[in-house]
Amino acid sequence: KQEVTQIPAALSVPEGENLVLNCSFTDSAIYNLQWFRQDPGKGLTSLLLIQSSQREQTSGRLNASLDKSSGRSTLYIAASQPGDSATYLCLFYAGGTSYGKLTFGQGTILTVHP
Amino acid sequence: DVKVTQSSRYLVKRTGEKVFLECVQDMDHENMFWYRQDPGLGLRLIYFSYDVKMKEKGDIPEGYSVSREKKERFSLILESASTNQTSMYLCASSLSPQLYNEQFFGPGTRLTVL
Repeated sequence: KQEVTQIPAALSVPEGENLVLNCSFTDSAIYNLQWFRQDPGKGLTSLLLIQSSQREQTSGRLNASLDKSSGRSTLYIAASQPGDSATYLCLFYAGGTSYGKLTFGQGTILTVHP
Repeated sequence: DVKVTQSSRYLVKRTGEKVFLECVQDMDHENMFWYRQDPGLGLRLIYFSYDVKMKEKGDIPEGYSVSREKKERFSLILESASTNQTSMYLCASSLSPQLYNEQFFGPGTRLTVL
């Protein structure tokens, strides 16, 4: 099955910093990649979805990019705030109708301190 | 906005009990999913359904069954609860028969089996 790796596993930054979270995958036959945030004890909130034909998507202070050739997606957070503290997860989908094509990364725990 | 609701936020059951977890979505989505999330193991797909009365096994279907009698409702059933089924259970839905569409998650049910 596809391997999806998120680096770093944890990140602690001061408020106001720009930061980058990484999601790497081994299968270049990607169909799309979705980024989520998860607050402790809660469900997942969808942030951005990038189709394989797209290079990037933006929503407010968030920008997600996709580079199929290198097998990587990055989530860029500008001007980080304490409210951005959460676990960030990526979901890789390889296309087709088989469930086996859906793979989550293990997540990056982000802490933004005032 | 898509709304995915789950019947309980917290649930405590005894070993051997039959447990029902309910999930309802209000956006006429074709696909619905059940995941469990455990520390160190991440999110794992239990079952998914791409239409009423249709279901497919995910990565870890053992000990679980599902029911989808109406499009908006997807139930996860633990036939005989065991302590190793203590976990956070997350339901999700997505729009079309193609799995690539954006997934939307419910708030989760924290199940403890004693």
